[in-house]
Amino acid sequence: DVKVTQSSRYLVKRTGEKVFLECVQDMDHENMFWYRQDPGLGLRLIYFSYDVKMKEKGDIPEGYSVSREKKERFSLILESASTNQTSMYLCASSLRLVSYEQYFGPGTRLTVT
Amino acid sequence: QQPVQSPQAVILREGEDAVINCSSSKALYSVHWYRQKHGEAPVFLMILLKGGEQKGHEKISASFNEKKQQSSLYLTASQLSYSGTYFCGLNAGGTSYGKLTFGQGTILTVHP
Repeated sequence: DVKVTQSSRYLVKRTGEKVFLECVQDMDHENMFWYRQDPGLGLRLIYFSYDVKMKEKGDIPEGYSVSREKKERFSLILESASTNQTSMYLCASSLRLVSYEQYFGPGTRLTVT
Repeated sequence: QQPVQSPQAVILREGEDAVINCSSSKALYSVHWYRQKHGEAPVFLMILLKGGEQKGHEKISASFNEKKQQSSLYLTASQLSYSGTYFCGLNAGGTSYGKLTFGQGTILTVHP
């Protein structure tokens, strides 16, 4: 069965801290994605990766970076967390980029105080 | 630019039908539909490709009008399990790779 896991369900960090969100998929998928979800705004793409060490900016990359050193793992990094980055963060993966369903992880609720 | 979903929310009684629309200002290559139940991850429902046929999944089906740059999701004879937030995700093809741009979501509530 397809599985995408995220390192934490809930996280509380202070303003200015460096934050790492980890995502692991066990399906040998080529592509992985990071979204943030806010009420009334739906899912917005932050970054995605189509291969190990390859990344592309999504619609809202400012304030974030990513790392993909292994195929199964995709990390989202907040270099200096700010209160406006308080959100639900969802990771997803897909076998191919185009015309393939995305499998989502359970999400990490990040609160920056 | 995010696609626009309508309505923002809909309330149904079991057995009633609903239509959720998703409109874009860009030419589309494919449309994805997902459902997210409260506190859970979004779950894939179906993909519609440019030039493809109307798709169906259980009593949920969808259409894709390339000329109008819009898609509609049809839920017939709704069940309690259909409750959740429905998102369309649009791919413009070309240099956008597999990037999906999601709508803001439509909250569907089905009552007994």
